[in-house]
Amino acid sequence: QVQLVESGGGVVQPERSLRLSCAASGFSFSTYAMHWVRQAPGKGLEWVAVIWSDANTKFYLDSVKGRFTISRDNSKNTVYLQMNSLRAEDTAVYYCAPSVVDPSVFDYWGQGTLVTVSS
Amino acid sequence: DIQLTQSPSFLSASVGDTVTITCRASQGISIYLAWYQQKPGKAPNLLIYTASTLQSGVPSRFSGSGSGTDFTLTISSLQPEDFATYYCQQRHSYPLTFGGGTKVEIK
Repeated sequence: QVQLVESGGGVVQPERSLRLSCAASGFSFSTYAMHWVRQAPGKGLEWVAVIWSDANTKFYLDSVKGRFTISRDNSKNTVYLQMNSLRAEDTAVYYCAPSVVDPSVFDYWGQGTLVTVSS
Repeated sequence: DIQLTQSPSFLSASVGDTVTITCRASQGISIYLAWYQQKPGKAPNLLIYTASTLQSGVPSRFSGSGSGTDFTLTISSLQPEDFATYYCQQRHSYPLTFGGGTKVEIK
């Protein structure tokens, strides 16, 4: 079955960096786009970034453009989110999710990894 | 960016009720709308995509309809496990956006 395991979250000071990883299994990883979606504590869902299967096409939420970089390693079935210049408003649970059944919908989710930006 | 407005933001209902949640897009998005259910402390779960297509494994009491700017999620005969927060999401264009959520609670 599909498994997505996020890691790399933690407590980090403002303006510092963090790299999230998401290890995927149970589906043909290299075939599908992969997304990061976040949820601030007690708030709704917010899409962050996508990387298509070609690994070159990427889109970002405006508020993270220039600070976050999404990448993937199809040989390791892993997607990454490099987060630089972190801000308090980036505090959230970060989920990775593939689009398998339909483009740009999130049919499987990991358990999420919590990023807390605080001094 | 396409804004999605859900209503109501909160609703109280009883087991067996039929409930309807609406999602309005700030511009036409054809049928490119999905619905998710999220329970506390858990990741969301895809219920419906392309406005009305039921995701595999989702009970048939869930249904979706709409196109353009107005969409609805209907839950027929509400079950105890359906008490959760529901989100709509558009995939018409980037940035992908979600509605603010509708929390369904037990009356």
